[in-house]
Amino acid sequence: NAGVTQTPKFQVLKTGQSMTLQCAQDMNHEYMSWYRQDPGMGLRLIHYSVGAGITDQGEVPNGYNVSRSTTEDFPLRLLSAAPSQTSVYFCASSHPWGGGEQYFGPGTRLTVT
Amino acid sequence: SQQGEEDPQALSIQEGENATMNCSYKTSINNLQWYRQNSGRGLVHLILIRSNEREKHSGRLRVTLDTSKKSSSLLITASRAADTASYFCATPNFGNEKLTFGTGTRLTIIP
Repeated sequence: NAGVTQTPKFQVLKTGQSMTLQCAQDMNHEYMSWYRQDPGMGLRLIHYSVGAGITDQGEVPNGYNVSRSTTEDFPLRLLSAAPSQTSVYFCASSHPWGGGEQYFGPGTRLTVT
Repeated sequence: SQQGEEDPQALSIQEGENATMNCSYKTSINNLQWYRQNSGRGLVHLILIRSNEREKHSGRLRVTLDTSKKSSSLLITASRAADTASYFCATPNFGNEKLTFGTGTRLTIIP
């Protein structure tokens, strides 16, 4: 099993550009989530999904969009990048619910100039 | 808002010594988890302790939970250089749909 994979590892965007961060898991986990990690602030939940076709907002959803068409994939879209979105983004999955052990991807380091 | 707060924020000890870090949380929980993050990597789950447990062991790790004080501690015994990492506690929210993470303790083991 590859576990949770994320692409790309690094990305630089200009303000106003859009992009999609990819996340996939091969463990058949129902629950998937996106976090951002900023210095001194720990991890903050952006969006999460409890299964295909079901998504909900986390603590910091503004400027981000998600969809979950399959169990395996949970992409995160930045609609119009802003410097405040410079961060490290982590995708995680768990089974059978979001309050249990989380499996994290390696992260995407995003810089918005 | 952060549910968990780790203490201390940073800790440096000599290799072979024990390291203790603490986590305090605000609301009732049904479990509390500890994660490790090596520099530049994703988080790795270490241990989960349920609300009806007071202590749990896993290898060199010992976790305690005091629900009356809303606090937990993580003890790493006989520390090694490879234990250098950030350690986070995490708790589920009321609906058990989401985990909330603390801000972490940065542990440095001095060889």
